Amino acid sequence: DTEVTQTPKHLVMGMTNKKSLKCEQHMGHRAMYWYKQKAKKPPELMFVYSYEKLSINESVPSRFSPECPNSSLLNLHLHALQPEDSALYLCASGRTGGLDYGYTFGSGTRLTVV
Amino acid sequence: KQEVTQIPAALSVPEGENLVLNCSFTDSAIYNLQWFRQDPGKGLTSLLLIQSSQREQTSGRLNASLDKSSGRSTLYIAASQPGDSATYLCALRGGSSNTGKLIFGQGTTLQVKP
Repeated sequence: DTEVTQTPKHLVMGMTNKKSLKCEQHMGHRAMYWYKQKAKKPPELMFVYSYEKLSINESVPSRFSPECPNSSLLNLHLHALQPEDSALYLCASGRTGGLDYGYTFGSGTRLTVV
Repeated sequence: KQEVTQIPAALSVPEGENLVLNCSFTDSAIYNLQWFRQDPGKGLTSLLLIQSSQREQTSGRLNASLDKSSGRSTLYIAASQPGDSATYLCALRGGSSNTGKLIFGQGTTLQVKP
């Protein structure tokens, strides 16, 4: 299995809603990442997990709350989002030791905040 | 601070042409460089990964080169096809290990006309 699977593919939520994005990989990667991508822009790093521990938080607002319950799963909990948070949210995974074989990205969740 | 630049921002070519996409970076201390393809509204697909000790990588009609001393990488696409139409992103990992963050260029949007 060489894929990163993200669910749901599309999500529409109100500003008072609570929702979660899910990411799963079975490649044995111990580093997992959340990226945010606005239209016609490159992905921007949000969070990095290494061995299930949060190692990097790129000053992301607290309305985004990441969670890594095990080495295969990464969640992003959303609460009280703003319309400007509408974007494509991408999950990625990679190795943490030895030779780096690069990142593997999921297909993303298209989030619309209304 | 490492900066990654991709030129041109957009490119339109007739089918069958050979073409070169450029990626330049300001700090030659990189760990590796990865080229991605992104179709509209989709995730990133890894095309080629070049380790810092390598000069080029090839996959099918694609060839990527890396010249750290001049701070440049190129992605060569041979005999372009309409299915190659997408945005191409280069991203590099700085530093001396695989714990560095991935830094993206702004991307080149390619259109191949039948």
